[in-house]
Amino acid sequence: DAKTTQPNSMESNEEEPVHLPCNHSTISGTDYIHWYRQLPSQGPEYVIHGLTSNVNNRMASLAIAEDRKSSTLILHRATLRDAAVYYCIPVEGGSEKLVFGKGMKLTVNP
Amino acid sequence: EAGVAQSPRYKIIEKRQSVAFWCNPISGHATLYWYQQILGQGPKLLIQFQNNGVVDDSQLPKDRFSAERLKGVDSTLKIQPAKLEDSAVYLCASSPSRYEQYFGPGTRLTVT
Repeated sequence: DAKTTQPNSMESNEEEPVHLPCNHSTISGTDYIHWYRQLPSQGPEYVIHGLTSNVNNRMASLAIAEDRKSSTLILHRATLRDAAVYYCIPVEGGSEKLVFGKGMKLTVNP
Repeated sequence: EAGVAQSPRYKIIEKRQSVAFWCNPISGHATLYWYQQILGQGPKLLIQFQNNGVVDDSQLPKDRFSAERLKGVDSTLKIQPAKLEDSAVYLCASSPSRYEQYFGPGTRLTVT
């Protein structure tokens, strides 16, 4: 399994964009990059995933570096509801297995 | 669309007792997972079912943990006997494809 490095925590202000970084330098060419988040006292929630190209959905955008050794999850306008632990997870192509690390805690200030 | 349902939400037992958790996945999802999440850590996969067959149970402590998924729908996870280190949140997830997993709210187990 590819290893990931995320900051332990980040802070942002409400209604401002937030860029959440993840390093995955040992990722293989067929690994997808998945992001999940976990709000307090809830199960994890799927956010987005990508392989090579940048991806957008209603929740966030995912920017993947050209060498694929890092990626950035972008929340365009943070809300209080975005306060959560965010997990960056490389997933082997063809696999369904999620290997969660400790993740990164995002605090959103009003 | 109804989400993944789990019960009970909380359970307190003494060590060496038995406990069972129940999960009802999202309708139509063939794949079901059980995870264990110890406080301060990310979830750890215990077992994965595809319909009613086991795909991966490599991290399930089989001397005390067991799981089944009858008829490819609901699933139960059992611990017998429980140890103090089994105190954790047990999460069930289901998936329609390999790209997204949908998690339930979890069962918080405290072993005293």
